[in-house]
Amino acid sequence: RKEVEQDPGPFNVPEGATVAFNCTYSNSASQSFFWYRQDCRKEPKLLMSVYSSGNEDGRFTAQLNRASQYISLLIRDSKLSDSATYLCVVSNSNSGYALNFGKGTSLLVTP
Amino acid sequence: SQTIHQWPATLVQPVGSPLSLECTVEGTSNPNLYWYRQAAGRGLQLLFYSVGIGQISSEVPQNLSASRPQDRQFILSSKKLLLSDSGFYLCAFNRAGNTEAFFGQGTRLTVV
Repeated sequence: RKEVEQDPGPFNVPEGATVAFNCTYSNSASQSFFWYRQDCRKEPKLLMSVYSSGNEDGRFTAQLNRASQYISLLIRDSKLSDSATYLCVVSNSNSGYALNFGKGTSLLVTP
Repeated sequence: SQTIHQWPATLVQPVGSPLSLECTVEGTSNPNLYWYRQAAGRGLQLLFYSVGIGQISSEVPQNLSASRPQDRQFILSSKKLLLSDSGFYLCAFNRAGNTEAFFGQGTRLTVV
């Protein structure tokens, strides 16, 4: 079983829509959680860290449920510029605290 | 500020040729360093990580090797490339355990 599993997507939504991505992780010892964004043929960039109490950054809200080993990302009022692949990421003390990535969920926001 | 540089951006190499990709980090000392590969249609796969000079750990058996000759320099190498080595190679660093990682711009390698 892969350590991080994500919705396969793709998600095609109109501008202004709200979209939610889900992710599960298998290693209960995971200690840090992130959402990264990757544009086509570019490097991944940190979108936001995910904290146990949940956190919000503008139109983006991330939630973590440690008991269920589940992470989510909610995007409100989608913009065309939100079109990208969203990567769910977890980290633990294994492998020198390397990040373990899900395969990503593709989002296309249309006019 | 902390930055990471990776080069070249694109590379086309024949099968059997050697490879050397270089990555350097600025603005921080003793970073954890990582090499990832992203094959077409796949997720990021961790290839190597290093927590200090001369310390290299490999995650998967493969045709590649890594070295860290200086604190902020990480090199990915191969003696003889295979077609299956094609992919998008990304160098990354983080400052301490369990913090977010920052990526270089990546090298798109095509082995022909």
